[in-house]
Amino acid sequence: AQRVTQPEKLLSVFKGAPVELKCNYSYSGSPELFWYVQYSRQRLQLLLRHISRESIKGFTADLNKGETSFHLKKPFAQEEDSAMYYCAPRGSASQGNLIFGKGTKLSVKP
Amino acid sequence: EAQVTQNPRYLITVTGKKLTVTCSQNMNHEYMSWYRQDPGLGLRQIYYSMNVEVTDKGDVPEGYKVSRKEKRNFPLILESPSPNQTSLYFCASSGTENYGYTFGSGTRLTVV
Repeated sequence: AQRVTQPEKLLSVFKGAPVELKCNYSYSGSPELFWYVQYSRQRLQLLLRHISRESIKGFTADLNKGETSFHLKKPFAQEEDSAMYYCAPRGSASQGNLIFGKGTKLSVKP
Repeated sequence: EAQVTQNPRYLITVTGKKLTVTCSQNMNHEYMSWYRQDPGLGLRQIYYSMNVEVTDKGDVPEGYKVSRKEKRNFPLILESPSPNQTSLYFCASSGTENYGYTFGSGTRLTVV
């Protein structure tokens, strides 16, 4: 069964501290992996996708196929990073279907 | 501007009164999907569509219907809403498997 696990419901850090939001997945085949962000009272936005290997707003994500993990990292958190973060795999096994983890709420304190 | 448009943004209705939430995208995307978002449960998929006239159930389809008669539109229909369908609903679309979804602004539905 396809499953996404984000073990932390809430992650609280101080401004300037490093951040790592964990994501583990169980998925048939080789899915493409995404991170989405939802700021307070706003729609979900694509933060980054593994295939493009980009860095958005200082965030990066490393895919570890052996551990089936796709953790999101940022070396120095900013207050404006406070939001809900969702990990989401997508692949041909489900014909393009996108499933989400339950999300991690990141709170960056001043 | 490329976007996914949902209407209405807010809706309060009574139990049993049929309603439709509309979703339209202007990006010629093949894939469209509906999700509901509830505290502590994250986003759960209701239905998705891979193209015109092709739809399939997600994780929580009970009490919902969808149709995909045109590529751009993917309405969500609640034939007989109940209070447990009170939620925040998001529509999303995507062009290919390796592109992320673009989300609408959400519809906050309250069923009393």
